[in-house]
Amino acid sequence: GQNIDQPTEMTATEGAIVQINCTYQTSGFNGLFWYQQHAGEAPTFLSYNVLDGLEEKGRFSSFLSRSKGYSYLLLKELQMKDSASYLCAVRGWLTGGGNKLTFGTGTQLKVEL
Amino acid sequence: GAVVSQHPSRVICKSGTSVKIECRSLDFQATTMFWYRQFPKQSLMLMATSNEGSKATYEQGVEKDKFLINHASLTLSTLTVTSAHPEDSSFYICSAGTGTGNTIYFGEGSWLTVV
Repeated sequence: GQNIDQPTEMTATEGAIVQINCTYQTSGFNGLFWYQQHAGEAPTFLSYNVLDGLEEKGRFSSFLSRSKGYSYLLLKELQMKDSASYLCAVRGWLTGGGNKLTFGTGTQLKVEL
Repeated sequence: GAVVSQHPSRVICKSGTSVKIECRSLDFQATTMFWYRQFPKQSLMLMATSNEGSKATYEQGVEKDKFLINHASLTLSTLTVTSAHPEDSSFYICSAGTGTGNTIYFGEGSWLTVV
């Protein structure tokens, strides 16, 4: 099975940097995803890691350590619009290939002035 | 533009009735699609894996006779909530992927309210 943990809530200041951690224990691993979700909307893809290391994409970066079962999402130059829920999701193995994701509980980020 | 489309985006139904939600892949064929449910302020919970041409695979605790899934073609999966109850009111969302890598797409989601 899969067990994915994230902090429930975080608060940060506009213009600052925030790191959202995710730890996972899975029976199989085939990639880790980070999504942003605003209330009432579908998740929006942010980043994907399948190998160890840092992936950078503009203001967002994501890090993965497979041996530690650990990932983080780094948001720089925070903006008010970044206030949202951030979901960590792990893809397991599925016979014949596939894209089955197991989501963490999500971290509700509040950006303040 | 959207590559996975859901319909309807919002639906209200009476308790005891059934409601169908469609999920379509627009630019690719999907042998598997996934249905999630999300209650307010909670994360997405996988309900079932929809398999084209065969029976869906349900997650533990999800009633297969209540949540009927049909994946009759490579671009369409449907979720039918049968004998709906107010506690079935939730945000239902589907996903599909084109293969490996990060190519997993989500539909827009469907808000179901049972009154």
